[in-house]
Amino acid sequence: DADVTQTPRNRITKTGKRIMLECSQTKGHDRMYWYRQDPGLGLRLIYYSFDVKDINKGEISDGYSVSRQAQAKFSLSLESAIPNQTALYFCATSDYRAHTGELFFGEGSRLTVL
Amino acid sequence: GQSLEQPSEVTAVEGAIVQINCTYQTSGFYGLSWYQQHDGGAPTFLSYNALDGLEETGRFSSFLSRSDSYGYLLLQELQMKDSASYFCAVRDGANNLFFGTGTRLTVIP
Repeated sequence: DADVTQTPRNRITKTGKRIMLECSQTKGHDRMYWYRQDPGLGLRLIYYSFDVKDINKGEISDGYSVSRQAQAKFSLSLESAIPNQTALYFCATSDYRAHTGELFFGEGSRLTVL
Repeated sequence: GQSLEQPSEVTAVEGAIVQINCTYQTSGFYGLSWYQQHDGGAPTFLSYNALDGLEETGRFSSFLSRSDSYGYLLLQELQMKDSASYFCAVRDGANNLFFGTGTRLTVIP
């Protein structure tokens, strides 16, 4: 089983719909992240959380919200999806004790907004 | 803010050596990481440099010059399976990573 699991893996939805992407991890890491990947733009940080009570905006948080339900769970919501939110979304975790710049990524959730 | 530049594409021959460069401008710098991503897959961690110099991990090496805001990833004895995208990423003081736009490496026979 994967250490970082994302659901759904693929989702097609319509403009204006509410979408939630979920992430769970079994690595025991305190830090969790949501990234968005678009062709030619690399990975951009949406939100990050250092523990259950800590939520921080990243580079591109507009139009997104997150919830850290437990240490192991971090969900990303699009309240009203729009076509330019079509992208590949990655959840990642890291261990605060390891200052190595190493993130552990899930397999990604491909979202298409029509 | 953070700004990273790397070449968009590189092609190299199987068995050869290839170097992927990364230059960065950042408001806070604690280290440079490299990640590999195969098509349709998740990024996977390759290496990390916090101090100047060369770090070697098998066929892969990574170099950092903090004074030049520059680093590179060196891949030796290229194999077909090394065809992938490679991303550099800077780590800030909060342990967040900001990624470059990626270099697509194509290894040809």
